[in-house]
Amino acid sequence: EPEVTQTPSHQVTQMGQEVILRCVPISNHLYFYWYRQILGQKVEFLVSFYNNEISEKSEIFDDQFSVERPDGSNFTLKIRSTKLEDSAMYFCARREHTEAFFGQGTRLTVV
Amino acid sequence: GQRLNQSPQSMFIQEGEDVSMNCTSSSIFNTWLWYKQDPGEGPVLLIALYKAGELTSNGRLTAQFGITRKDSFLNISASIPSDVGIYFCAGLPFSGTYKYIFGTGTRLKVLA
Repeated sequence: EPEVTQTPSHQVTQMGQEVILRCVPISNHLYFYWYRQILGQKVEFLVSFYNNEISEKSEIFDDQFSVERPDGSNFTLKIRSTKLEDSAMYFCARREHTEAFFGQGTRLTVV
Repeated sequence: GQRLNQSPQSMFIQEGEDVSMNCTSSSIFNTWLWYKQDPGEGPVLLIALYKAGELTSNGRLTAQFGITRKDSFLNISASIPSDVGIYFCAGLPFSGTYKYIFGTGTRLKVLA
C-alpha cells in the first residue's frame, strides 16, 4: 500500500481554535505534501516537506499554518487560528520518484 | 501561475460507452498524472506519464502525454457504473519543482 493514513477523518472546530491534522506514513518515507480541496473545487498545493524541512510552500500557506514531523513518524499540519474559509478537505500525500500517493483526507469544518 | 484546464467539466454517458477527457496548459510539464476521486475520499493514482508522446494503459484506461508537453488525454473504454467520480490531471512542471499542479477536474456520471 503506497498511501498514507490520516487522522482524524473529520474534525469540527470553532472559529479561532487551533487544529492539528495528522498523517502517518506506512513506512519510512521522506517527502510529504499537504494539499487542500475546498468543497467542489480542485486540489490545491499547500506545502511540501522533505527530510524534516519545508521544501516549497504556496501563497495559501501563511503564518497561520505550520508543519512538522515531531517524532520522526507522524507528519502534522497545524492551523493556529482557524477561519471559516479554512473549511475543506485536507490531504496528505507522499512522493515516490515522480508520483504522489494521497491519503483519505481529513474533512475540516470550521463553525 | 500555471493552470491546468480540463474538459469537459462534466459528462453523462451510458454504460458501455467510451469516454475521452483532456487536460491542457500554456506551460510545459515534465510528468503527467491522472487521478480518480470518489466522494469524500482522496485522489487515487490511475496512470503516470513521463515522456512526450508516451501512451500508457491501465486496464480500460489509456492516457497519453501530449507531444508538445502542454497537454494530456485520458480515455476510458467500455465504461461501467463504478467509473463514476471526478477525474483530475496533475502536472509536474519542468522547472525543477516537485509541486504538482492539479487540473479543474472532469466529473463523470455513468447511466446504467
